[in-house]
Amino acid sequence: GNSVTQMEGPVTLSEEAFLTINCTYTATGYPSLFWYVQYPGEGLQLLLKATKADDKGSNKGFEATYRKETTSFHLEKGSVQVSDSAVYFCALSTGGSNYKLTFGKGTLLTVNP
Amino acid sequence: DAGVIQSPRHEVTEMGQEVTLRCKPISGHNSLFWYRQTMMRGLELLIYFNNNVPIDDSGMPEDRFSAKMPNASFSTLKIQPSEPRDSAVYFCASGPSSGGRSGNRELFFGEGSRLTVL
Repeated sequence: GNSVTQMEGPVTLSEEAFLTINCTYTATGYPSLFWYVQYPGEGLQLLLKATKADDKGSNKGFEATYRKETTSFHLEKGSVQVSDSAVYFCALSTGGSNYKLTFGKGTLLTVNP
Repeated sequence: DAGVIQSPRHEVTEMGQEVTLRCKPISGHNSLFWYRQTMMRGLELLIYFNNNVPIDDSGMPEDRFSAKMPNASFSTLKIQPSEPRDSAVYFCASGPSSGGRSGNRELFFGEGSRLTVL
């Protein structure tokens, strides 16, 4: 079956530090990959996505590249801000006419000023 | 657009009581999902519907849980009887209809219903 493994948190960084959150996956077929973000007290919202190998998703300074050879989709940001403090979820979908997302357990990021 | 609307936002109840959580998906979205979030297990998919029909309920923990979608604009998740281990945040999410690769479709989440069973 499908599964997503992401690095355990929590991750604590100072403002302007470099961020990497690792994500690897196991899937049948050719999945689409996603990063969702959950700010305190809110639901999840899509941060970025990639639908095929070597695609790079990007949004709000965050980037992730779909690496089929390493089955990975690591999230990176060059300079984090306090407002980036949230829980980040890696997810995949193997599609079809009916689809569902399989999520990792989430990584809590805290950015200190 | 108001987004996915869930109610109640918070519910505190006693063991054995019936709990009903409600969800209004985004208008025009044909897929609806119920997730449960706990510290121990993370996000778990409970059930999802497409065009009001339950497609996969393999994540529903046991017979105490049931979900319905009587029409395109409303869904309920019911727990009867509730137990302390059901305490969690329950999220409803909706997405656009099938057609095209799944990667082109995004899920939109509500703000969640935080359930505490004493």
